[in-house]
Formats: sequence, structure tokens, C-alpha cells
Amino acid sequence: NAGVMQNPRHLVRRRGQEARLRCSPMKGHSHVYWYRQLPEEGLKFMVYLQKENIIDESGMPKERFSAEFPKEGPSILRIQQVVRGDSAAYFCASSPPTSGRSYNEQFFGPGTRLTVL
Amino acid sequence: SQELEQSPQSLIVQEGKNLTINCTSSKTLYGLYWYKQKYGEGLIFLMMLQKGGEEKSHEKITAKLDEKKQQSSLHITASQPSHAGIYLCGAPYYNTDKLIFGTGTRLQVFP
Repeated sequence: NAGVMQNPRHLVRRRGQEARLRCSPMKGHSHVYWYRQLPEEGLKFMVYLQKENIIDESGMPKERFSAEFPKEGPSILRIQQVVRGDSAAYFCASSPPTSGRSYNEQFFGPGTRLTVL
Repeated sequence: SQELEQSPQSLIVQEGKNLTINCTSSKTLYGLYWYKQKYGEGLIFLMMLQKGGEEKSHEKITAKLDEKKQQSSLHITASQPSHAGIYLCGAPYYNTDKLIFGTGTRLQVFP
């Protein structure tokens, strides 16, 4: 059973370009979470999605950032008109459907390291 | 708002020594996750604790959640170079599915 997959692992963009980060959850997992790790800072929650639904986007910047998890295919985190401050490691995590336990383990992917020149 | 504080921030130990990392919450924890992160890589899930007083072990790593559910400790017995990395504690933010994380403890183990 493959783990959470993210691609690309490294992405370089110039200011003003768009960045698309992809996340394929573990098999059988229907919940996807995106986190951002800024240099010298901790991991911060961005958005929580289930298939075709955004459940919680309280950590997403109000502008330029969007996320989706379509019925088919990976989850996408999209950053429009990137700025240098967007340079960070973006991690995706997935968890299985709620099984009656209070919380399910979240399994993380290897991350995408975005560098904005 | 809820915050997690880890101590120490960094730790350098000799191989074979025991060590403990602490994670303290400003609010009652609904659950507590421990992860390990190596530089340039993702987070490796170690353990999840939910009940007050709960203790779990995996190989040489033991994690405990105190009875009041506001503090957790991670203990490594007979440390090895393979234990080196950044240890992160995470917790559900209040009663939601999103996790908040501590700032991490950087562990180095030298031969």
C-alpha cells in the first residue's frame, strides 16, 4: 500500500507565476489535509477536504490560494501569482473515513518544496 | 487559542543514552500525535494518544499522555543515530480535524 504521494517534490517559480501542487492520498483514504511549513516556523494547517467538498479552509490565505479534491484524481493546491513569501514546504496528509473513533491518524506525504525567485 | 509548546528545542545526546521530549498544551487535549521529521522529508507517524494516562510503546520509543490531558512526553531508550531528526507533537485544534503542531525538538545522536 503506497503512502501519500506528492508531486512535484521541488518546484521553482518566478514571482507572478502559478504553482500547482498535487497530492494523492493513501488508498482507501477520503480525507485530505494541506499544511504549510515556512522556513524556521512550525507546521500550520491550511485546508481540509473530502471528495468534492471543502470542509475547513480556515487556514487558507484569503487571496491567491485555492484547493480542490475532485471525485477522480489527486487533490490540488493552487497558488496564483506567487510571491517570495509563498516559499515554503507544503505537506499533504490523508486519513481514512471516520470509523467511530474520535480522530484518525493523519499520514503525511514527503512534501513539495516551493521556491519563488 | 490553543498552543503547543515543546521542550527542549534541541537535544544532543551520546548514542546509548536515554532522553525525554515534552509537549505541553495551553488547553485540554482531545488527542496527541507524535511525528518524526527528517530534513527534506515528510512526517513519519509515530503514535497517537487519546485517553488520559494512556501510554504506548513502539520499539524503543514510549509516549505518555498525562491524566489531565495537557502534557505528553516522548521517551527514547538507548538512543541510536537513526533516532536523529525533528520530533513534532500535534493535536486536534479544539474538537476539529485540523492539527496544530508544536515548534519541534531537534535531536542529534552522536556515536
